[in-house]
Amino acid sequence: AQTVTQSQPEMSVQEAETVTLSCTYDTSESNYYLFWYKQPPSRQMILVIRQEAYKQQNATENRFSVNFQKAAKSFSLKISDSQLGDTAMYFCAFMNPLGGGADGLTFGKGTHLIIQP
Amino acid sequence: DTAVSQTPKYLVTQMGNDKSIKCEQNLGHDTMYWYKQDSKKFLKIMFSYNNKELIINETVPNRFSPKSPDKAHLNLHINSLELGDSAVYFCASSQKGVNLGGYTFGSGTRLTVV
Repeated sequence: AQTVTQSQPEMSVQEAETVTLSCTYDTSESNYYLFWYKQPPSRQMILVIRQEAYKQQNATENRFSVNFQKAAKSFSLKISDSQLGDTAMYFCAFMNPLGGGADGLTFGKGTHLIIQP
Repeated sequence: DTAVSQTPKYLVTQMGNDKSIKCEQNLGHDTMYWYKQDSKKFLKIMFSYNNKELIINETVPNRFSPKSPDKAHLNLHINSLELGDSAVYFCASSQKGVNLGGYTFGSGTRLTVV
């Protein structure tokens, strides 16, 4: 079974700063997918970014980028030029693609990110 | 149009009652899921349903049963509700192929058992 660990329950930074959220995972699989999801107070789950383990290049989406270290089983999320709207819970998630992903996502416990004006 | 819709958004009910939460997706996705988010915000998968194949998380009590009348719907039925069932329940869907892992979540149903 896979496990996902987010060691930062809460983080707070000033607007426009850069912040990095950490995530580590444990798996015996060689091929898998990793995700960061954002959950604002509206409670909607929003996909921020995803990474396929077989790709060495780190994924980026505008102000969001990841540092994927496969050997270390680390998958951190960097948010550049943080904005007030980035305030949310952020969840790291793992997926085993075998069976078409029918096992679903394994989530970490989340990091509550607060962007201060 | 909402891609994954859940009803109701809020549900307050007494212990011992039976209730259902409905979920519909209009994305043509192959697989649908139910997740539970507890009071500490921890999300855990309960079920996945794909081409009439049901995969159950072994920790889910058998009071919970998913029902899928067709590919676009996966409803969650809960018997004999308990206080510990209070949580937010999310429906989600995904597609195989190149977009594998592209989950779309509903907006959640907050269930409160009193």
